Amino acid sequence: AQSVTQLDSHVSVSEGTPVLLRCNYSSSYSPSLFWYVQHPNKGLQLLLKYTSAATLVKGINGFEAEFKKSETSFHLTKPSAHMSDAAEYFCVVSGRMDSSYKLIFGSGTRLLVRP
Amino acid sequence: EAQVTQNPRYLITVTGKKLTVTCSQNMNHEYMSWYRQDPGLGLRQIYYSMNVEVTDKGDVPEGYKVSRKEKRNFPLILESPSPNQTSLYFCASSKTSVAQYFGPGTRLLVL
Repeated sequence: AQSVTQLDSHVSVSEGTPVLLRCNYSSSYSPSLFWYVQHPNKGLQLLLKYTSAATLVKGINGFEAEFKKSETSFHLTKPSAHMSDAAEYFCVVSGRMDSSYKLIFGSGTRLLVRP
Repeated sequence: EAQVTQNPRYLITVTGKKLTVTCSQNMNHEYMSWYRQDPGLGLRQIYYSMNVEVTDKGDVPEGYKVSRKEKRNFPLILESPSPNQTSLYFCASSKTSVAQYFGPGTRLLVL
């Protein structure tokens, strides 16, 4: 079975400081992993994706994530937070099971950015 | 512009009154799916469709129906809505299940 755990429900940082949002996954298959962002009252936007190519994945808006198989982690980072980064972030795992795909979402991490 | 559209965006209804939420995409994607989002639970998949006339249950299909008669449309049907179906619903599409494009969401309140 596949699952994803976001280790923090809320993360608060000061503007200009680094961001770390933690995600651990469990998968019996070779997983694809994603991070999505949801701004208030908006839909979900894909930040980045890992699909078994380079383990360090760069996304939009300066975010990146590193796939670590030995630690079953896919943490999201950004060197310097901006006020516009305040949003909810979802870690997602996908894997092919039989002839279908399944997407499993984490419960989300709300990022607060203090001025 | 590539997009996924949902209608209506907001809906208040009463228990038992059948409703349909429409979803349409203009990217010629094969894969479409529906999710519901509830506080603290993230998004949970309701149904998905790999192509026209091919649909399958996700994690929380009870109380919902879908159909896929055309590639671009994937409506979500609630035959007899109940208050526990009050939620925020998202439709998504993709060429595969990788990198899905999400619609803007439909906020449903069932009284």
